[in-house]
Amino acid sequence: NAGVTQTPKFRILKIGQSMTLQCTQDMNHNYMYWYRQDPGMGLKLIYYSVGAGITDKGEVPNGYNVSRSTTEDFPLRLELAAPSQTSVYFCASSYGQGTGEQFFGPGTRLTVL
Amino acid sequence: DAKTTQPPSMDCAEGRAANLPCNHSTISGNEYVYWYRQIHSQGPQYIIHGLKNNETNEMASLIITEDRKSSTLILPHATLRDTAVYYCIVRYTGTASKLTFGTGTRLQVTL
Repeated sequence: NAGVTQTPKFRILKIGQSMTLQCTQDMNHNYMYWYRQDPGMGLKLIYYSVGAGITDKGEVPNGYNVSRSTTEDFPLRLELAAPSQTSVYFCASSYGQGTGEQFFGPGTRLTVL
Repeated sequence: DAKTTQPPSMDCAEGRAANLPCNHSTISGNEYVYWYRQIHSQGPQYIIHGLKNNETNEMASLIITEDRKSSTLILPHATLRDTAVYYCIVRYTGTASKLTFGTGTRLQVTL
């Protein structure tokens, strides 16, 4: 199993550009999550999904959108990139609601200039 | 979810036990204690979790005090590869598995 994979690994955007961060998991997990981590800080939850077709906001959802059309994929969309969105983005998945054991991807380092 | 307090940094000699403390004085009866670590810039890695009883797995041991207001993660024989930021997280099982990360403890293992 590859686990949780994320693409791209690095990206530089100009202010106002848009992009989609890809996340795929092959563990048949129902729950998926997007976090961002600013330098020297802990992770903050952006959005999460409890299954295909169901998504909900986390702690810092502004400026982002998500969709969940399949169990495997959970893309994160940035519509109008801003310097404040410069961060490392981590995708994670877990089997169900009862477990706090999440499996994380390697992250996408995004810089907005 | 209850708030946690951890020291910002700790040092440990290689081969020694690393004992990482965490205070969670406002924890409620149905909240679990989870530990994750993040090595360099990688994604966080699950280590262990517990409710009341002490727990042990191949990576570490978790000691929870009887009043559940604090816990200690023990790495029995720390190696250089254990150098990482360690996060103590308290989580209510009724939520959608959401985790709230603080700033953690940066453990430096030295020769």
